[in-house]
Amino acid sequence: KAGVTQTPRYLIKTRGQQVTLSCSPISGHRSVSWYQQTPGQGLQFLFEYFSETQRNKGNFPGRFSGRQFSNSRSEMNVSTLELGDSALYLCASSPNVQGPYEQYFGPGTRLTVT
Amino acid sequence: SQQGEEDPQALSIQEGENATMNCSYKTSINNLQWYRQNSGRGLVHLILIRSNEREKHSGRLRVTLDTSKKSSSLLITASRAADTASYFCATVRTGFQKLVFGTGTRLLVSP
Repeated sequence: KAGVTQTPRYLIKTRGQQVTLSCSPISGHRSVSWYQQTPGQGLQFLFEYFSETQRNKGNFPGRFSGRQFSNSRSEMNVSTLELGDSALYLCASSPNVQGPYEQYFGPGTRLTVT
Repeated sequence: SQQGEEDPQALSIQEGENATMNCSYKTSINNLQWYRQNSGRGLVHLILIRSNEREKHSGRLRVTLDTSKKSSSLLITASRAADTASYFCATVRTGFQKLVFGTGTRLLVSP
């Protein structure tokens, strides 16, 4: 099976703009999670989608949003970008309906906000 | 916020030596997982240990879990240069469906 893919791999945006990142999970995986990784805060959970519904949400402001489509592909959107949003954004998919919640990660999208 | 704290933050060893990393967490968990990340890339799942298990092996990896101390350790035996990476523990809290990652240990294995 093909792994989790994320597009684009690299992105440079200006403060105040918005950005949309895309994630295609492994075929058959219905759960998609998003994480933000920064040197200062480490790996932080953003949200998780399962069957087009947001099932879990982390402690991020409303500028961060996401959605999942019927084919399980997911997008996350960040509006009104801030310098602190510069990070590696990781998407992960899981085959589990319920635990133990082993996850398969994509290569990430490196977002730089200038 | 991160639940897991890992120790040490960085570890430098020679090829052939063993590497041990420790992870502590704060709440009751369903399971604990270890992941590897190579230089700013995606994470790779290494091993999962459930809360009712005490030890698990996978190839050169050995993981222990002590729920009374809320701690876990990852042992990599006979390390290779290719093991150079950051290693993260991640917990799944009882009743929750999300991973909470630790701070990570940077491992450098020199030839």
